[in-house]
Amino acid sequence: AQKVTQAQTEISVVEKEDVTLDCVYETRDTTYYLFWYKQPPSGELVFLIRRNSFDEQNEISGRYSWNFQKSTSSFNFTITASQVVDSAVYFCALSEEETSGSRLTFGEGTQLTVNP
Amino acid sequence: KAGVTQTPRYLIKTRGQQVTLSCSPISGHRSVSWYQQTPGQGLQFLFEYFSETQRNKGNFPGRFSGRQFSNSRSEMNVSTLELGDSALYLCASSLLGQGTIDYGYTFGSGTRLTVV
Repeated sequence: AQKVTQAQTEISVVEKEDVTLDCVYETRDTTYYLFWYKQPPSGELVFLIRRNSFDEQNEISGRYSWNFQKSTSSFNFTITASQVVDSAVYFCALSEEETSGSRLTFGEGTQLTVNP
Repeated sequence: KAGVTQTPRYLIKTRGQQVTLSCSPISGHRSVSWYQQTPGQGLQFLFEYFSETQRNKGNFPGRFSGRQFSNSRSEMNVSTLELGDSALYLCASSLLGQGTIDYGYTFGSGTRLTVV
């Protein structure tokens, strides 16, 4: 069965520090999709990035970067030069094309607090 | 374009009552999924509707049901409410859902249900 683990429950950093959020997943499918979502206090889940299992190219987008490694089943997310507005709960999620179709399996979430 | 709209934003119900939540997807999106978020269980998939048909279902009791209308708007119903049903209910819309190039889900701000 699919599973997503975010071992870090809470992270607290000072503004301008770099922070990496860890995500480890389990799946038996060969085709799957990985996501990162951000949930601010308002409650809405904000889409950050999607990667499919055939695309291991890592990406940098502004202050955000992602490190996808199939060999270790990890999909980590890094914020460089963090800002107070980055404070939120971050969720990693997995969707398997064959087994679970459209269903997203979420990790437990990591509460990131960026202090001024 | 307008995002995913969920109504009402907040709801207080008494144990034993039933409740109906509404979700209007992004215009043109045909897939609507529902998730329950609680502090103890995290984010859990309830069901997904596509073109008025339930395409995927999570592990929730039959008290939880849903439907989708021809305009893609979806409703979720919970009958015989229990205290444990208190949660944030999130709706997500997608253009086509599973197995497509466009595999992004846009979430609404949710309906916070409190059962007393």
